Amino acid sequence: AQSVSQHNHHVILSEAASLELGCNYSYGGTVNLFWYVQYPGQHLQLLLKYFSGDPLVKGIKGFEAEFIKSKFSFNLRKPSVQWSDTAEYFCAAVRHNTDKLIFGTGTRLQVFP
Amino acid sequence: GAGVSQSPRYKVAKRGQDVALRCDPISGHVSLFWYQQALGQGPEFLTYFQNEAQLDKSGLPSDRFFAERPEGSVSTLKIQRTQQEDSAVYLCASSATGTRVERGLRREQFFGPGTRLTVL
Repeated sequence: AQSVSQHNHHVILSEAASLELGCNYSYGGTVNLFWYVQYPGQHLQLLLKYFSGDPLVKGIKGFEAEFIKSKFSFNLRKPSVQWSDTAEYFCAAVRHNTDKLIFGTGTRLQVFP
Repeated sequence: GAGVSQSPRYKVAKRGQDVALRCDPISGHVSLFWYQQALGQGPEFLTYFQNEAQLDKSGLPSDRFFAERPEGSVSTLKIQRTQQEDSAVYLCASSATGTRVERGLRREQFFGPGTRLTVL
């Protein structure tokens, strides 16, 4: 079955620490990849997306993600987190010939000052 | 409108009641999606419309779930004879894509705030 896996369910960091959240997908063909963020009390917002081209994708708020096809991975990174990054992060994938997003289970990030 | 809106934001239903959840997509968006998000889980696909046509309803968990988008804009998700396991946040999303040519270029889905359904 098609799936997206997020290995870290809950991550706790201090401000200025570096962040890396893991995401793996199970499709063998062409896939589009996304990271969404949900801040407390707010709706899902797109952080960044990968369609094709440069596998290192830059998103909003200093986030980036690297698509590694050989590892079926699309890990999210940020060099220095802030308290305001406290949120839930979802990795998602869309197969090239479909439209529905397949989400991972999410990673809850807590950043302490 | 400025974004996807959903109503009501919260709904409490007694088991066995019917509920209707509304989604207003971004104006002009061709595609509309419904997702179900259970507590502690990621959103799961329910159904997808392109304009008024329901192209994929493979995620609807049972025949108690029904969705429509009669004029290609506003959509309603109806759940008949609600059960406790229906308790979840129901998310609506819309996107500008509507054709295979466009898909690779503008595939971002914009999400609404969701409707939290609690079935007692």
